[in-house]
Amino acid sequence: NAGVTQTPKFQVLKTGQSMTLQCAQDMNHEYMSWYRQDPGMGLRLIHYSVGAGITDQGEVPNGYNVSRSTTEDFPLRLLSAAPSQTSVYFCASSYPAGGNSYEQYFGPGTRLTVT
Amino acid sequence: DAKTTQPNSMESNEEEPVHLPCNHSTISGTDYIHWYRQLPSQGPEYVIHGLTSNVNNRMASLAIAEDRKSSTLILHRATLRDAAVYYCILRSAGTSGSRLTFGEGTQLTVNP
Repeated sequence: NAGVTQTPKFQVLKTGQSMTLQCAQDMNHEYMSWYRQDPGMGLRLIHYSVGAGITDQGEVPNGYNVSRSTTEDFPLRLLSAAPSQTSVYFCASSYPAGGNSYEQYFGPGTRLTVT
Repeated sequence: DAKTTQPNSMESNEEEPVHLPCNHSTISGTDYIHWYRQLPSQGPEYVIHGLTSNVNNRMASLAIAEDRKSSTLILHRATLRDAAVYYCILRSAGTSGSRLTFGEGTQLTVNP
């Protein structure tokens, strides 16, 4: 299994541009999430999904959209990039395993710079 | 959400045990204690989790205080590869496994 994959690894955008960060998992996980991590800080939840067709907002959703049309994919869209969105973005997946495991598997991250 | 408190940084020597503390005095009876670690330039990875009893796995041990207001992650023999930021996270049993709240964690330095 490839696990959780993210593309691109690096991206530079100009203010106002839009783009989509891709995330895919091949573990048949029901739950998927997007986090951002600013320098020297912990991760903050942007959006999450508990299954295909179901998404919800996390702690810092403004400026981002998500959709979940398949179990495998969970893209994150930046509508109009701003310098404040410069960060490292991590996608994660997990499943409601028996015994309340809820272990999350994280992708390698996308480093985004907005100028 | 209940909050956790961890030291900003800790140091250890290679091949010695490491005890990483976490305080969670406002923990509720249904909160699970999760530990993740983040190696440099990588995404976080799961280490261990528990509810009330001490837990062991191939990576580490988790010791939970009897009153559950604190816990300790134990690395039995630190290696250079264990240098990472370690996050102690509480997850309510009613919360989706996709919604973890990360603090700033403990930066562990392992000296050769």
